Amino acid sequence: KAGVTQTPRYLIKTRGQQVTLSCSPISGHRSVSWYQQTPGQGLQFLFEYFSETQRNKGNFPGRFSGRQFSNSRSEMNVSTLELGDSALYLCASSFGTGVTGELFFGEGSRLTVL
Amino acid sequence: QQQVKQSPQSLIVQKGGISIINCAYENTAFDYFPWYQQFPGKGPALLIAIRPDVSEKKEGRFTISFNKSAKQFSLHIMDSQPGDSATYFCAAVGGSYIPTFGRGTSLIVHP
Repeated sequence: KAGVTQTPRYLIKTRGQQVTLSCSPISGHRSVSWYQQTPGQGLQFLFEYFSETQRNKGNFPGRFSGRQFSNSRSEMNVSTLELGDSALYLCASSFGTGVTGELFFGEGSRLTVL
Repeated sequence: QQQVKQSPQSLIVQKGGISIINCAYENTAFDYFPWYQQFPGKGPALLIAIRPDVSEKKEGRFTISFNKSAKQFSLHIMDSQPGDSATYFCAAVGGSYIPTFGRGTSLIVHP
């Protein structure tokens, strides 16, 4: 069974640019969550999508947005990049319903903003 | 507001020793407490989890101890091995299915 796939794995952008990251969840998983990981702040929740609808949202500015497609694949977009957006962006998938359970993480997209 | 406090931030243990990582939470609505293990260059992966109806759960060398009244839980790694060197995150989950993570503990096990 294929795991969670994130692309690209690494990318470098400059301030003011925008970036789009992609996530393909495990087959059958309808929930996709996005996290920002930095050394100082740990894992910060960005948002969660379930069946193409944003179900939960973290405390990030509107520059951070996402969407989910009918095949459960998800993208997140960061506009007007700032130096502080440099981080590892992790995507996680799960069934998203029923008993609380395990999140399956991808290996992340490492974004560097210069 | 940090809802899950994790300590220590870093931990160095000798091979064969016991590694202990502690977490405390505030929201009594949390009802699922997983621990995730992350190796460099990889995403976190579920290691072990507990629900508040039990006080301890053991899987191999890994044990979670849970104290509901104190709102604390901890991870014990017995007979720590160099291969256990990783970052460990505790988390707490409530009705939204979204984990609130601690800030992580970097564990180094010296051979």
